Amino acid sequence: DIQMTQSPSLLSASVGDRVTLSCKASQNIYKYLNWYQQKLGEAPKLLIYYTNSLQTGIPSRFSGSGSGTDYTLTISSLQPEDVATYFCQQYNSWLTFGSGTKLEIK
Amino acid sequence: EIQLQESGPGLVKPSQSLSLTCSVTGYTITSGYDWSWIRKFPGNKMEWMGYISYSGSTNYNPSLKSRISITRDTSKNQFFLQLNSVTTEDTATYYCARYDNNYYYVMDAWGQGASVTVSS
Repeated sequence: DIQMTQSPSLLSASVGDRVTLSCKASQNIYKYLNWYQQKLGEAPKLLIYYTNSLQTGIPSRFSGSGSGTDYTLTISSLQPEDVATYFCQQYNSWLTFGSGTKLEIK
Repeated sequence: EIQLQESGPGLVKPSQSLSLTCSVTGYTITSGYDWSWIRKFPGNKMEWMGYISYSGSTNYNPSLKSRISITRDTSKNQFFLQLNSVTTEDTATYYCARYDNNYYYVMDAWGQGASVTVSS
């Protein structure tokens, strides 16, 4: 299995901050990396697919980048409604997930 | 707008079977995509369990292959998860999701999840 490691596990930032979340794969995943947002008590929501493609309806402050084994989700200006857990997911022969980064407002 | 909703017992005894239903509205499950089950364990580790395709074929996580079955009722636009011989390690929140297995391998619509505890 490909292991996905997210860091940090908890991130506290201020409104308006630029925030960067990391997801590292145990081997090359060729950009098949997706990001999801899950707010408390809600269904997960797809944010970014194939490393850097923004899902329809997602604000442009969210962006993704990366290649090989290292991938990043960036929020350009943190908003109060962005408080959530963010997790990454890769596809190789089957799907595996990161354990998430919990994002809170400082 | 597509919506998915999980339902089923919240408590299952060890060695018994876990059965969950995913009811889909806003999209017909035979029209396309694959229909997946994912679970999140306490501590936030997530595991893809398997899917049933729009045509009815199935694909399971090899770690679960001997215990899992995903089926569907197209007349009700529902699909189902059965996990046999459960143990306390199967305690998790179970999600159903629509899965794009052709291009970017994403789950683009999810249910809110059903919490299942395995305990005597």
